[in-house]
Amino acid sequence: SQKIEQNSEALNIQEGKTATLTCNYTNYSPAYLQWYRQDPGRGPVFLLLIRENEKEKRKERLKVTFDTTLKQSLFHITASQPADSATYLCALLLDTDKLIFGTGTRLQVFP
Amino acid sequence: DGGITQSPKYLFRKEGQNVTLSCEQNLNHDAMYWYRQDPGQGLRLIYYSQIVNDFQKGDIAEGYSVSREKKESFPLTVTSAQKNPTAFYLCASSTARDRVGDTEAFFGQGTRLTVV
Repeated sequence: SQKIEQNSEALNIQEGKTATLTCNYTNYSPAYLQWYRQDPGRGPVFLLLIRENEKEKRKERLKVTFDTTLKQSLFHITASQPADSATYLCALLLDTDKLIFGTGTRLQVFP
Repeated sequence: DGGITQSPKYLFRKEGQNVTLSCEQNLNHDAMYWYRQDPGQGLRLIYYSQIVNDFQKGDIAEGYSVSREKKESFPLTVTSAQKNPTAFYLCASSTARDRVGDTEAFFGQGTRLTVV
């Protein structure tokens, strides 16, 4: 069966540390993998996109890696801040423009 | 002011009634999507459309219907056949994959539907 899995347990880290979130998928061949941030009661907001032929992408304190052999993406937030506390969703964009999301991981950064 | 607008923000309906959720975008995007989100859950795809007058079922299309008569609009009807319609509904749009540029999705503010 096709699945996108993110760690369902909340990730709690101390301010200033690096947060690492994992996204694993099975039986998909995505053209792109995207990461979004969602705050309670709001729609997700796009953060980063990585293509199938890219290994790593960076934007300010954010870094995404993409391993199509392992079918896994890692999302890193360096020098984390309490304002980074939110739910982070990974999403796969397939060849048919179908955009599907994982279950999300809640990140809590405490002072 | 470009963006994607969902209305209303909150919607209450009686069981057995059909209800239509509005989604409008002025971003000139080809692709539009409808998702359902239940508490503590991720987004589940209901329907999506790549082009006007065409749409495809997502993973949980049963009990829902859509139309795409205009590029800017993608309304979702929650029918009485949907067994558990109370949820947070999100609409999104993006450029199609074959266009130049990234294909990030922009989301509306969501509609919280409560069926009593």
